[in-house]
Amino acid sequence: EADIYQTPRYLVIGTGKKITLECSQTMGHDKMYWYQQDPGMELHLIHYSYGVNSTEKGDLSSESTVSRIRTEHFPLTLESARPSHTSQYLCASSESGGTSGNTIYFGEGSWLTVV
Amino acid sequence: GENVEQHPSTLSVQEGDSAVIKCTYSDSASNYFPWYKQELGKRPQLIIDIRSNVGEKKDQRIAVTLNKTAKHFSLHITETQPEDSAVYFCAASPVSDDKIIFGKGTRLHILP
Repeated sequence: EADIYQTPRYLVIGTGKKITLECSQTMGHDKMYWYQQDPGMELHLIHYSYGVNSTEKGDLSSESTVSRIRTEHFPLTLESARPSHTSQYLCASSESGGTSGNTIYFGEGSWLTVV
Repeated sequence: GENVEQHPSTLSVQEGDSAVIKCTYSDSASNYFPWYKQELGKRPQLIIDIRSNVGEKKDQRIAVTLNKTAKHFSLHITETQPEDSAVYFCAASPVSDDKIIFGKGTRLHILP
């Protein structure tokens, strides 16, 4: 079934550790996104990509980095985690092209706790 | 760039009554307006969307209206049920930039 898969779903790590959140989609979409969201709160776009080798920073400043080497894969990396990074991270994707907007589909999210 | 304002931030309605959530947008080039529902602990999911060539769209108990002149759009839920309790996000997508801009969300409580 076409979907967006995120791993790990839940993670507790210590301050200063490096962590990579994985995201893969089988939707066949060119565009991919990372959002940061505290429970039930505003969705903050932190990174997006319109295709392979394309990455852009979003509206919310983030100390994370992303890469897009393969169309279906869009991992997010925190080089040195801090308690302020504790949040839910949602990966998403959408089709490219068209002139009337694109529907975004979300993964189930990765809940990160930094202690 | 586009800016989307969403009101109210919290809404409580009696089960069986109607709920209305309103959004305004700033970029007249926006022509795609989706609504997402996020249940507790779940991912946001698309429930209905509208494109600027129509003024209203219905899907069972859910409807969305769009007023392009005033640059606002609304979500209407009739005969509310407990499972409608969730956070709802509106969004707008400008043609010139495919990035979708989300509102800040409305927490809807259905009271028994």
